Amino acid sequence: DAKTTQPNSMESNEEEPVHLPCNHSTISGTDYIHWYRQLPSQGPEYVIHGLTSNVNNRMASLAIAEDRKSSTLILHRATLRDAAVYYCIRLQGAQKLVFGQGTRLTINP
Amino acid sequence: KAGVTQTPRYLIKTRGQQVTLSCSPISGHRSVSWYQQTPGQGLQFLFEYFSETQRNKGNFPGRFSGRQFSNSRSEMNVSTLELGDSALYLCASSTSSGRSYNEQFFGPGTRLTVL
Repeated sequence: DAKTTQPNSMESNEEEPVHLPCNHSTISGTDYIHWYRQLPSQGPEYVIHGLTSNVNNRMASLAIAEDRKSSTLILHRATLRDAAVYYCIRLQGAQKLVFGQGTRLTINP
Repeated sequence: KAGVTQTPRYLIKTRGQQVTLSCSPISGHRSVSWYQQTPGQGLQFLFEYFSETQRNKGNFPGRFSGRQFSNSRSEMNVSTLELGDSALYLCASSTSSGRSYNEQFFGPGTRLTVL
């Protein structure tokens, strides 16, 4: 199965950067890495995705290692609203997301 | 633009019954996917429909089925309910038309409880 490895939980302080790691050591050359997050009592929401180079959007940045076996989601300035479970997903089929257990991110005020 | 809507939001059934859940995608989205979320197994992919055809399928028994209508609305059906089917069922839609991946927009889910 094309799952990824993430820490079960992480904690950070409000207004500080957060680096969420993800290991995908068996990734193939054409697999994209996607990040979704799930806020409490809501469905998952898309955060960012990338293939080889670093990517930025209004929500976060994605840093992909040169060998593509790991990546890091970066929240530049965490807020309380960023408390969620973050999923790093290796895309298996065009629209088939294979979710792992994700990282539960706690933000301290 | 309205988001993905799912009905009903909550449902209680008993073992052996069947249930039908409904999903209305974002206007213009033709791909609809279904996921099951449980505390033990997490989020698992059920199936994906595009233009009324099932395009991808996860590893669930045949009791789980779905369909998509010409207006892209989708339903999923679970027959002969088991206690283990208690879960949050999430629907997601996207503009994906084929090989390329487009981000999926998830609805709030239907919470199914089987007694």
